[in-house]
Amino acid sequence: EPEVTQTPSHQVTQMGQEVILRCVPISNHLYFYWYRQILGQKVEFLVSFYNNEISEKSEIFDDQFSVERPDGSNFTLKIRSTKLEDSAMYFCASSEVGGLRTEAFFGQGTRLTVV
Amino acid sequence: GQSLEQPSEVTAVEGAIVQINCTYQTSGFYGLSWYQQHDGGAPTFLSYNALDGLEETGRFSSFLSRSDSYGYLLLQELQMKDSASYFCAVRAGFGYGGATNKLIFGTGTLLAVQP
Repeated sequence: EPEVTQTPSHQVTQMGQEVILRCVPISNHLYFYWYRQILGQKVEFLVSFYNNEISEKSEIFDDQFSVERPDGSNFTLKIRSTKLEDSAMYFCASSEVGGLRTEAFFGQGTRLTVV
Repeated sequence: GQSLEQPSEVTAVEGAIVQINCTYQTSGFYGLSWYQQHDGGAPTFLSYNALDGLEETGRFSSFLSRSDSYGYLLLQELQMKDSASYFCAVRAGFGYGGATNKLIFGTGTLLAVQP
């Protein structure tokens, strides 16, 4: 069964460093997303990406964050100058075209710890 | 503002039936989804309601009343493996042509199934 894959599964970084989280969405999907979940809290939307550009972003997704689709398969989230409060699980998700019955498939997540 | 409210915890015994309620208040609404999450793993899609009424998928059913901004997930014949967090999520856009297709997640309900 096709799945969304994310690497690395765990990332520890020092405050102020840059990290890149990587995702390979399901191959025939056109919509890509990043969500994050701080430990014990709900899943929060960060950004959606369609047709090689951001279609929507939340207030969390400020200038510190950027996304890129560097090739036909990868989708990355870059966090510049990480802060302690960026520590969270980051989930990539993808879905087919829009419509009434569009299911988002989530990857297993990258646990980011900023120290 | 946007909010989805769920009970924080529910406990039930194996073989029983449990209902997890969700009330929502969002600026856009195109459907209500339910996701299961084990121990911080990937949220896994369970069910989706775009229209009022009941959707049944095996042991799981989901109900939506758009006029009441209310839905629920019904789990029957509970098994130990059903112990997990359950999130309702509002689909905030129709998703065609790059229009927003984001999910707004609820606070999550931790279901504990006891023998």
